[in-house]
Amino acid sequence: IAGITQAPTSQILAAGRRMTLRCTQDMRHNAMYWYRQDLGLGLRLIHYSNTAGTTGKGEVPDGYSVSRANTDDFPLTLASAVPSQTSVYFCASSDSGSPGYGYTFGSGTRLTVV
Amino acid sequence: DAKTTQPPSMDCAEGRAANLPCNHSTISGNEYVYWYRQIHSQGPQYIIHGLKNNETNEMASLIITEDRKSSTLILPHATLRDTAVYYCIPSRFRDDKIIFGKGTRLHILP
Repeated sequence: IAGITQAPTSQILAAGRRMTLRCTQDMRHNAMYWYRQDLGLGLRLIHYSNTAGTTGKGEVPDGYSVSRANTDDFPLTLASAVPSQTSVYFCASSDSGSPGYGYTFGSGTRLTVV
Repeated sequence: DAKTTQPPSMDCAEGRAANLPCNHSTISGNEYVYWYRQIHSQGPQYIIHGLKNNETNEMASLIITEDRKSSTLILPHATLRDTAVYYCIPSRFRDDKIIFGKGTRLHILP
């Protein structure tokens, strides 16, 4: 089934540890995004990538890094996790050359930093 | 980017049409109006979008006023599964960065 796969589904992480959230899409979408969602704050854009090899900062990029080595994968790395990074993380993709179908979102990764 | 105003919450009886308004008075000429929804704990789901004409698909209808300053998403026969937060988002489709607001929490009542 075409779509976005995020892994892990959930994780409890000790503060100070490094963590990479994985995101893979099989729709050949050129653009990919990472959002975080916190209770009462809605969805906020962390980083995005318009095409393989390029990335950009969103609304809340501090403490996170991304890479886009190929079209399908867009991992999000927390170099040294802090409790304020406890959140639900959603990956999304889109074919930015066409307005037809909007963004496709993954099912999310629930991360708890303790 | 255009700012949007949506009511924080709405109720609708099951089987009735749910009409969700959105004000986007600062929308620019090249911005589409996109609607997404997020059912509890799931990833957001694209519903529909439009530029200036009314649009309909299998999920919903979108009515955009002639001056494009507001729009209404219509779920013609709401079911309990339509309970979700609905987001109205103006975006240039090549802009590549959708910014979510607070949306409208729609409760479908049995």
